[in-house]
Amino acid sequence: EPEVTQTPSHQVTQMGQEVILRCVPISNHLYFYWYRQILGQKVEFLVSFYNNEISEKSEIFDDQFSVERPDGSNFTLKIRSTKLEDSAMYFCASSEPATNEKLFFGSGTQLSVL
Amino acid sequence: KNQVEQSPQSLIILEGKNCTLQCNYTVSPFSNLRWYKQDTGRGPVSLTIMTFSENTKSNGRYTATLDADTKQSSLHITASQLSDSASYICVVTTMYSGGGADGLTFGKGTHLIIQP
Repeated sequence: EPEVTQTPSHQVTQMGQEVILRCVPISNHLYFYWYRQILGQKVEFLVSFYNNEISEKSEIFDDQFSVERPDGSNFTLKIRSTKLEDSAMYFCASSEPATNEKLFFGSGTQLSVL
Repeated sequence: KNQVEQSPQSLIILEGKNCTLQCNYTVSPFSNLRWYKQDTGRGPVSLTIMTFSENTKSNGRYTATLDADTKQSSLHITASQLSDSASYICVVTTMYSGGGADGLTFGKGTHLIIQP
């Protein structure tokens, strides 16, 4: 089955530093998403992306966050100045643009902000 | 406010036994209900997707049921195996397409442990 791949699997950074999380969605998918999951809590939506622009974002996705699709395959999440509370597992997901579309998640990047 | 509640929070059963996980939701307008399996440190993997008109769907040893009138769903696992140890997440989708904030409402999951 096709996979969404994420790199790195673990990222440790100092508070205030910038991080870029990378994702390669499934090649024929057109919708892309970032979610996060703080340890022991439920998955939370961050942002959705379609046709090279943000289609929706949550209140978590403030000015410190940005997304980009720099080429035809990669989809990145940048956190400009990390905070301790940004520590979480970040999941990328992609889907086809159809009703009842199946969301495919990557394995996640565990971000630890020290 | 859209909500998905799952029970139990955690469950321990012996290998080979059956179990049933519950999901209650208050999501409107309803589009579909999904069950995901999430292994520790991994992303969620889709098990089943059910629309309003479907009341049962199977995927191997996993059988999901949906009662759209009472807004309840269950996931039944038959003849459990050690590899079934994971979190099982119920996700309810509204009529909005995509995975956005208004489109998907996630439950907290049931943490299932299968003991040999």
